[in-house]
Amino acid sequence: DAKTTQPTSMDCAEGRAANLPCNHSTISGNEYVYWYRQIHSQGPQYIIHGLKNNETNEMASLIITEDRKSSTLILPHATLRDTAVYYCIVRVVYNFNKFYFGSGTKLNVKP
Amino acid sequence: DGGITQSPKYLFRKEGQNVTLSCEQNLNHDAMYWYRQDPGQGLRLIYYSQIVNDFQKGDIAEGYSVSREKKESFPLTVTSAQKNPTAFYLCASKQGVSTGELFFGEGSRLTVL
Repeated sequence: DAKTTQPTSMDCAEGRAANLPCNHSTISGNEYVYWYRQIHSQGPQYIIHGLKNNETNEMASLIITEDRKSSTLILPHATLRDTAVYYCIVRVVYNFNKFYFGSGTKLNVKP
Repeated sequence: DGGITQSPKYLFRKEGQNVTLSCEQNLNHDAMYWYRQDPGQGLRLIYYSQIVNDFQKGDIAEGYSVSREKKESFPLTVTSAQKNPTAFYLCASKQGVSTGELFFGEGSRLTVL
């Protein structure tokens, strides 16, 4: 699976949009981009995933560049409860077994 | 409610002792996984199982063992051969070969005294 690169940490003001970038320059055509988040000392929580097109659900939006070498997770109105570590993962859809979690981005939402 | 249950949440053990962490899911998922997380780090895959009575080593399987006798259960044993077992252990499950996501339990924190 392709490797991802994320900033170590980011700050965001409460109520503003949080834009979390992820680079995956070696991504191949059959690899999806997944985002998870982990609130301190809890299990990671699925947020969203996509292949080529932009995706939106009740939690977030995922913007994937046309060349698919990078993506951005957008939390439209960040709250204090969104403070967490956010993981960007790429994986082959038929790779049954492995989700590789890097170190992620620590998002600090501040009042 | 459907989900994944890990127990115990906190566990202390003395050096040289084996300990077993429980993971049970009622989501009817085929695949189950064990990850280890050290402070400030991401998750590393220990073992995974795609079907009952079958499992494969992940990236850091040394010092660990698993079994998959039932679809809903995937216990992890941390043996005395694991040199640095103090960590946060996470169990996850997934429905089949698809674009679906991993569902995680709340984790078990093991401390070796």
